[in-house]
Amino acid sequence: KAGVTQTPRYLIKTRGQQVTLSCSPISGHRSVSWYQQTPGQGLQFLFEYFSETQRNKGNFPGRFSGRQFSNSRSEMNVSTLELGDSALYLCASSMQGKNTEAFFGQGTRLTVV
Amino acid sequence: GEDVEQSLFLSVREGDSSVINCTYTDSSSTYLYWYKQEPGAGLQLLTYIFSNMDMKQDQRLTVLLNKKDKHLSLRIADTQTGDSAIYFCAESIGSGGSNYKLTFGKGTLLTVNP
Repeated sequence: KAGVTQTPRYLIKTRGQQVTLSCSPISGHRSVSWYQQTPGQGLQFLFEYFSETQRNKGNFPGRFSGRQFSNSRSEMNVSTLELGDSALYLCASSMQGKNTEAFFGQGTRLTVV
Repeated sequence: GEDVEQSLFLSVREGDSSVINCTYTDSSSTYLYWYKQEPGAGLQLLTYIFSNMDMKQDQRLTVLLNKKDKHLSLRIADTQTGDSAIYFCAESIGSGGSNYKLTFGKGTLLTVNP
């Protein structure tokens, strides 16, 4: 059974650009959550999608958005990139959204220069 | 509010036991978790404990929960060099099919010396 797949693994962008990150959950999983990991702030919850609907949202500016497709794959988008957006972005998938059954992907390392 | 704190570093010798401690502030936490992160990797769920439990044991791992003091610990018996990693404590609120966000501590870097 394939795990959670995040693409790309590494990304370098320039300030002001936008970026789209992808997360393919484990087959059969309908919930996808996104987290940002930085050395300063640690791991912070961005949002969670379940059956194409955003169910929960963290305290991030509107530049951070996401969506989920009918096949449960999820994308997150960051517009007008800032240096502080440099981070490891992790997604986790689960069948019903229970953290006790969630699996994390390896993450996308975004560097903003 | 939600806040999870843990010490940043722990160094032990191979074969010894490791104890990683964590405190949390939200008394309505339903589940408490321990995750492991190795370099260049995502998070691996090691174990979790429901808030109405005091202890949970899973092979070399023992989780102790003191709900009164809001203190959680992870004990790794017979620590091996492969256990070297960052360990995160996390909490979540909610139950059933609802998913609430995980709130993480900053992580404890465990170094196991041969």
